[in-house]
Amino acid sequence: AQSVTQLDSQVPVFEEAPVELRCNYSSSVSVYLFWYVQYPNQGLQLLLKYLSGSTLVESINGFEAEFNKSQTSFHLRKPSVHISDTAEYFCAVSGRGADGLTFGKGTHLIIQP
Amino acid sequence: DAGVIQSPRHEVTEMGQEVTLRCKPISGHDYLFWYRQTMMRGLELLIYFNNNVPIDDSGMPEDRFSAKMPNASFSTLKIQPSEPRDSAVYFCASSSIANTEAFFGQGTRLTVV
Repeated sequence: AQSVTQLDSQVPVFEEAPVELRCNYSSSVSVYLFWYVQYPNQGLQLLLKYLSGSTLVESINGFEAEFNKSQTSFHLRKPSVHISDTAEYFCAVSGRGADGLTFGKGTHLIIQP
Repeated sequence: DAGVIQSPRHEVTEMGQEVTLRCKPISGHDYLFWYRQTMMRGLELLIYFNNNVPIDDSGMPEDRFSAKMPNASFSTLKIQPSEPRDSAVYFCASSSIANTEAFFGQGTRLTVV
């Protein structure tokens, strides 16, 4: 079984400032890792994913995350946030079988003008 | 493709009534997942199907909950009888390959009064 810990339930940051949303996971097997974003009253949208290969993965809107196996982390970063990035961000993990995704509790990113 | 389609978007019902939530997965996807989202517990996997067959229903909270997938393009989640503590947003998701990426519907917001 896998588990995910998102250490911050809420992260306030000023517009154009950098941000890091933290995610740690535990698993006894190799994993896939994901970040999803949820805007108000919407479903979850995939932001980026790590399946294999390069440990640094990027999204089309400037977010990136790095898989760190030794620290069992998959932190999400963006060098300069925009007001439109205000949303709930979920880290998720799955084993390499077919057992569904396990989600963290989410981090609410609040962008202050 | 229109994505994962859920209906209804909102449902308000009285305690004790039967509630049926519906989901149409993305065409060609072999996996279908039902999740429940609440403030207290976050996103919980209730049940998932592979090729229309229920694989793991260990997340279904009680016998009042049941899910079916009669064909590759339709699934239902039924609660009978409903209780106020079932109030939540229920998401359906589908994927083509186990655990690599799940596409979410917009969700059904259920309120049981």
